[in-house]
This record gives sequence, C-alpha cells and structure tokens, in this order.
Amino acid sequence: DVKVTQSSRYLVKRTGEKVFLECVQDMDHENMFWYRQDPGLGLRLIYFSYDVKMKEKGDIPEGYSVSREKKERFSLILESASTNQTSMYLCASSLIEPYRDRAGGYTFGSGTRLTVV
Amino acid sequence: GENVEQHPSTLSVQEGDSAVIKCTYSDSASNYFPWYKQELGKRPQLIIDIRSNVGEKKDQRIAVTLNKTAKHFSLHITETQPEDSAVYFCAASRGTYKYIFGTGTRLKVLA
Repeated sequence: DVKVTQSSRYLVKRTGEKVFLECVQDMDHENMFWYRQDPGLGLRLIYFSYDVKMKEKGDIPEGYSVSREKKERFSLILESASTNQTSMYLCASSLIEPYRDRAGGYTFGSGTRLTVV
Repeated sequence: GENVEQHPSTLSVQEGDSAVIKCTYSDSASNYFPWYKQELGKRPQLIIDIRSNVGEKKDQRIAVTLNKTAKHFSLHITETQPEDSAVYFCAASRGTYKYIFGTGTRLKVLA
C-alpha cells in the first residue's frame, strides 16, 4: 500500500542536463516536501508546498525549483544538474498540520538516488 | 538559525543491551518531536513521537524523554535486537508545517 511514490529509484544524468524528479501521493495531503539526504548532514529541506501552486523555499533551494500543479503531485526540477547535486532525494507529504496526524505527520517516499556525472 | 543536533553519529551495541540517542534543539517554539527509523534502502518511518506537554512516552521497547527547559530529547531502545539496526533521525517541529531533522545516528546491533 505505497502512499508516496517517487517515479525513479535510481537516476544517472549528465552535468548541465535538466532533471525532473516526480512525487505522487494518494493520501489527499495538503503539504508536500522535497528533502535531500547526505551522509553526516541528515535530511535538509529543499522546498515545500502547502497547497496547489504554492511553494516556499527550504534551507537549500539554490539550483532547484519545484512545481505543484495538482494536489497529489510535487515535482523537483534541477535546471542545470551539477555534480554537487549527486544525492538521495526524498519526497514526503503530510496534513496541513502534521503533528495532528495520529500517524505522526510525514509519510516519505522511497527516495531517488541521483548521480550527476 | 534553528537547528537540531544529534549524537552520536554511530552507535554499536551488543544484542540485548540498551541504546540511547540524544538530540538538542534550538527553537523554543518547537512543540512536537518525532523519531524516524530508516532501514537500509528503505524510507524513513515514524517509530515514536512526543509532544511538549509530555515528559516521557513509551511504546514497548522504545521510549522517548523530553526536557523542555534544557531543550533536550532522547530515544531509548531497550533489549536491542538485530532488526533495530538502522539509521535513526530525530526531528523538531518548526512553525506550522515543517520539521527540522537531526543528522542521524547509525545504530548497529551486534549479535
């Protein structure tokens, strides 16, 4: 019963390419998030969205943009991929106030491991 | 800025022993503290959480304690088993929508 689906598990792209990472959730959650996971740095927030067409920068938005045209879908875009964007990318979704969810708020996808060569 | 410090980064324990992971947060407005477990190759999943009006919460072998004055919270796992081996992340609420995560602790339970 996968509830947050990321389109690719592994992705290899070349420097300078435009890269799209897709995330779809089926829980009717208002919030969606993109995190980057690197060893020793934990989970760092890139962008989040609390409603369709609404977005806010997280802690490390440089080099990334996002799109949320439909409630269930949140896309992360690397306009011109660089080697320092090689990482694991995690999508998550939550209710508008995640701590009110008995399930604890965030539901994560399985991640996309992106390698930029 | 707001941050969450998590220690240790790696922890090895013998099967059956206890494990403790500690986190410190900086935002005094944080009022919700979840813990996530991420097994190798899998997604992070919530294992326990605590709200700021509670000092301790227990769920079988797992417990979390919160000291609001000191801005500390800790995860305690008793009677560890090999399946407890994973990366554990603490988090603190930041504003209405977001969490800020610690850097993770890789726990290895040695059989």
